[in-house]
Amino acid sequence: GAVVSQHPSWVICKSGTSVKIECRSLDFQATTMFWYRQFPKQSLMLMATSNEGSKATYEQGVEKDKFLINHASLTLSTLTVTSAHPEDSSFYICSASDPGRASSYNEQFFGPGTRLTVL
Amino acid sequence: KQEVTQIPAALSVPEGENLVLNCSFTDSAIYNLQWFRQDPGKGLTSLLLIQSSQREQTSGRLNASLDKSSGRSTLYIAASQPGDSATYLCAVSKGGSEKLVFGKGTKLTVNP
Repeated sequence: GAVVSQHPSWVICKSGTSVKIECRSLDFQATTMFWYRQFPKQSLMLMATSNEGSKATYEQGVEKDKFLINHASLTLSTLTVTSAHPEDSSFYICSASDPGRASSYNEQFFGPGTRLTVL
Repeated sequence: KQEVTQIPAALSVPEGENLVLNCSFTDSAIYNLQWFRQDPGKGLTSLLLIQSSQREQTSGRLNASLDKSSGRSTLYIAASQPGDSATYLCAVSKGGSEKLVFGKGTKLTVNP
C-alpha cells in the first residue's frame, strides 16, 4: 500500500516551453502532496505544499508563477514548469502522506521522480 | 531554521561489515524522523520512521535510534550486502507540519 507514481519519468524539452509533471497516489487519498527538487549530489529541497482544492503554499525563493501547482483531486497533483530554462533542469520528486493510516504518524511516501532536462 | 547534517558524506565498506550512519539536527522540536534510501536516478524508499516519543525502530537488518534531546539519530546496518549500496537520507518533520527537512545524505558502497 501507499504507492505514489509520477509521470513522465523523464522529459527533455526546449528552452521556453512548458512541461507538466503528474503525481498520483494510487491506493490512498492524499489531501496534501509535496513537491521537491533535487540537484545533482544535493539533497531534496521542498518547493511547495499542494493542498487539494486550494492554492499551493510555496517555499521562500520559489516562483509561484513559474512553477504552477494544481491539486484538483485527492489522488492527483500536477506541477507545470512554465517557460523552462536550462537552470530548471533537475530531478523533481513528489510525496504524499496517507491520513487514513492509523499508524502513519505523517510518514511520507515518495514518487519515483521525474528527470527534467531543458536544452 | 532546522538544519540536518549527515556524516560521513560517503562510506565504503567490505561486504559483511556492520556500519553506522549518523544524522544530526539543530532544532530538537521534531515530530518524527525518517530514514530513506535512494538509488541513483530513483525516488526515495522509506526505511524507518521514528516518532519523537520513540527511541528506536527496527526493520530486518536495520536499526534506527533517536536521541531527540541531543539532536541525533543513527542508522545501524548489520551484515552489510552489496545490495545495500545506495544513498541514505535522513529527514525530520516539525510538530504538526508534514514538511520534511532533509540532510544531504551518506553515499554507501558495499564492496563484494
